[in-house]
Amino acid sequence: EIILTQSPTIMAASLGEKITITCSASSSLSYMYWYQQKSGASPKLWVHRTSNLASGVPDRFSGSGSGTDFTLTIDPVEADDTATYFCQQSWNDPPTFGSGTKLEIK
Amino acid sequence: EVQLVESGGGLVQPGRSLKLSCAASGFTFSNYYMAWVRQAPKKGLEWVATISTSGSRTYYPDSVKGRFTISRDNAKSSLYLQMNSLKSEDTATYYCARQTQPYFDYWGQGVMVTVSS
Repeated sequence: EIILTQSPTIMAASLGEKITITCSASSSLSYMYWYQQKSGASPKLWVHRTSNLASGVPDRFSGSGSGTDFTLTIDPVEADDTATYFCQQSWNDPPTFGSGTKLEIK
Repeated sequence: EVQLVESGGGLVQPGRSLKLSCAASGFTFSNYYMAWVRQAPKKGLEWVATISTSGSRTYYPDSVKGRFTISRDNAKSSLYLQMNSLKSEDTATYYCARQTQPYFDYWGQGVMVTVSS
C-alpha cells in the first residue's frame, strides 16, 4: 500500500499570500489527485492527473510534481479557500489518500 | 447535474449488519465504475469498495474484505453497500462516489454509520 504524507497538517495563511501544500508518496507515482473538503461538506475533486484543474476550480490553484513529490499551490489565497485538502493516488492498489491539510485564513 | 444521494445509515450494534443505498441521477449510471469511500470522525478518507460498470468485478481493501459487499442495479441507477459483522472502527460517514478511473469525480453528501453498543 502506498502511503501519502501531507505537510503541513494545518496552516494559516493571509489573504493574498502564496501557499504550497506538499504530498509525498512512499513509492513513485505517475499522477496525483487532489480534493477540497469544506467543513461539513463532502469532498470535491479539485485537481486530476497532477496538474489539471477540475471544472469550476479557479486558476489561482495549480498542481505539479512527479515521482514521489507533488504540490498544490494557491496564489493568491482567498477567504473562500478555507478547507481541508487531500491528495490521492490510484497508481497502486488500493487507492489511498493523504491525511489532509487544513487551510485556515488569518 | 450529477447527483448522488445516500441513505440507510444509522446506529447499529457491533456484529450486526447494515445496508447503505445510493441513488444516482444526472448521468448514465451504467457507464461508470462506482465506489464507496468513508471518513471516520475528524479523520481522513479511506476507500472502501469499487464495482465495475456491469457489477461483475468488485474490489475491496483488506480492512473490509469478506465483511462488506458492494453491488449495483443499473436499471434503478442505484448502488449498494451491504455491511456485515460491523466493528466500532467502521464508524464513519460513508460517501458514494462516481469513479472515473482512477479518481473520484463526484461524491454524495454522505451518510453516517455509528457502530456502538
